[in-house]
Amino acid sequence: DVVLTQSPLSLPVTLGQSASISCRSSQSLVYSDGNTNLNWFQQRPGQSPRRLIYKVSNRDSGAPDRFSGSGSGTDFTLKISRVEAEDVGVYYCMHGTHWPGTFGQGTRLEIK
Amino acid sequence: EVQLVESGGGLVQPGGSLRLSCSASGFIFSDYAMHWVRQAPGKGLEYVSTVSNNGGTKYYADSVKGRFTISRDNSKNTLSLQMSSLRAEDTAVYYCVRGYYFDDWGQGTLVTVSS
Repeated sequence: DVVLTQSPLSLPVTLGQSASISCRSSQSLVYSDGNTNLNWFQQRPGQSPRRLIYKVSNRDSGAPDRFSGSGSGTDFTLKISRVEAEDVGVYYCMHGTHWPGTFGQGTRLEIK
Repeated sequence: EVQLVESGGGLVQPGGSLRLSCSASGFIFSDYAMHWVRQAPGKGLEYVSTVSNNGGTKYYADSVKGRFTISRDNSKNTLSLQMSSLRAEDTAVYYCVRGYYFDDWGQGTLVTVSS
């Protein structure tokens, strides 16, 4: 199975600063049709996960434009510009290119 | 509005069985692949299983293969997960998730495997 490795696992950030989370795959996530099923999720304390980014870089309609996704092949990044208090939580990457899908270990974002 | 409501969780003894259900509304259920994802207490998300929109294709995590069975009833807009030979490590909140790209998530139902 594909292994997704996130870093860092803990991310203390000052309000208003930017933050980046890396997600590296043990194999290419490019499907035969050219699409890459790599998605990012946010889980706030006590809540269900919600998707922020799908297919590497497409932001969901409910996600603030401070969130952006990039990458290709095996290396992917979630960037949060101008971190706000509401961004506290755990962030996960997840792939669905080679089934079964897998999640990264999660990155816990906290405010310094 | 998309709604996914899980039910069927509870306390079960090791080796026992349990059936989870997810009632879907607010979208054309038969158009979407559906998934189960779980989260053990204080841990990260773990993929469990997927069923295609017509039920013809199914995938399972190695950790549940041979013990769990995913199914769907498109006439009733319902997703199910039949769990058997349950172990302590299956204790988790189980989420029902819509869509090939894991678009929307339910609130989850807690399964506790303990004697």
